[in-house]
Amino acid sequence: IQLTQSPSFLSASVGDRVTITCRASQAISSYLAWYQQKPGKAPKLLIYAARTLQRGVSSRFSGSGSGTEFTLTISSLQPEDSATYYCQQLNTYPHGFGQGTNLEIK
Amino acid sequence: EEQLVQSGAEVKKPGESLKISCKGSRYTFSSSWIGWVRQMPGKGLEWMGIIYPGDSDTRYSPSLQGQVTISADKSINTAYLQWSSLKASDTAMYYCARREMSALSDAFDIWGQGTMVTVSS
Repeated sequence: IQLTQSPSFLSASVGDRVTITCRASQAISSYLAWYQQKPGKAPKLLIYAARTLQRGVSSRFSGSGSGTEFTLTISSLQPEDSATYYCQQLNTYPHGFGQGTNLEIK
Repeated sequence: EEQLVQSGAEVKKPGESLKISCKGSRYTFSSSWIGWVRQMPGKGLEWMGIIYPGDSDTRYSPSLQGQVTISADKSINTAYLQWSSLKASDTAMYYCARREMSALSDAFDIWGQGTMVTVSS
């Protein structure tokens, strides 16, 4: 199963609402997770089961979708949201990742 | 706090062998899958494989099968990733992560700090 994220790069301002899309090459039900990775750090789980917020993660993050199309939305961008975001499917081995979306805060 | 702690950075020569480790604590290690993820310099995340320490059931990425070996010793809460003959292209950061599976969730919820492996002559 291939995951394609769009866009690959995104530049937005503090306070903006942004959406990142992840498309799967075949249906994966809701077996999708989203991660945030900052430079030099391990990835951090944000969303699992396509739409469930991980404990301790800001409610500015939300996920939606099922089947083949999924979105991660960040409402009211903050400077600390500057990072690379990855989706991962856990429906079928290998549990691959999307290629990543680099989010820059202007 | 549940955590995974990985072994330290390694510098090796091509052809050498290597085994890096990932030790879990403050949770039942044998009851959760541990995955390994590669990140080559400046690149994205690549799923390598996963092991269930309880019975050592292991799955590999088809692109990496035969290139690495994943194992675990549940008696000491530790998973391993090993190479028998390193190549320069194995230079990367390697992360282990716990796969939390339940009726409601399935994701890598805890990550190790990463082990940088540099292979250079």
